[in-house]
Amino acid sequence: GESVGLHLPTLSVQEGDNSIINCAYSNSASDYFIWYKQESGKGPQFIIDIRSNMDKRQGQRVTVLLNKTVKHLSLQIAATQPGDSAVYFCADTPNTGTASKLTFGTGTRLQVTL
Amino acid sequence: EAEVAQSPRYKITEKSQAVAFWCDPISGHATLYWYRQILGQGPELLVQFQDESVVDDSQLPKDRFSAERLKGVDSTLKIQPAELGDSAMYLCASSSGLAGDLNIQYFGAGTRLSVL
Repeated sequence: GESVGLHLPTLSVQEGDNSIINCAYSNSASDYFIWYKQESGKGPQFIIDIRSNMDKRQGQRVTVLLNKTVKHLSLQIAATQPGDSAVYFCADTPNTGTASKLTFGTGTRLQVTL
Repeated sequence: EAEVAQSPRYKITEKSQAVAFWCDPISGHATLYWYRQILGQGPELLVQFQDESVVDDSQLPKDRFSAERLKGVDSTLKIQPAELGDSAMYLCASSSGLAGDLNIQYFGAGTRLSVL
């Protein structure tokens, strides 16, 4: 993931609209990518993952897109709800054959307006 | 649903004091991680255990931080002495390490440390 700063980028969307959160990663060896949701005062919560041999994966109301050429991934949330308000992080890890650390990217704060 | 347990949730201490955080991973998870998260940033790894062995502590400030997982289950992270810059959220995560599920790390609620 990219280095992060003190001020989180913020995405404001209206309830019911679709949200797209973007993330750039820097490690060409990264093989596995995860999106986490973090609500205030809580730990990161797993949303969806994708391996580098895929370019799209869908879950319930969420879709992750991976573009390895430009080292970019995105999280799409359909029909955004107030409960989706949180900070979203992408994280990546290389394929070492065993569990290894995640490198987190710059978080994005999603604000859902009514 | 199984969860990663951490305690305490909050800790306030004065600089130069010692603090300790405890983590109980999801049952059966062989890999345990301690991350530090500074406000407004993403978590950064401090130490990773595979069972009772340390596999990555390259980012752990070993002059003041120590971590152990003696029986390969729960773990303790200690800071002595605490410094003002240690104020952060300390997160514990665990993963099964099984093929096909290698790196889904499940996080606890964290311990918020404030050093005065």
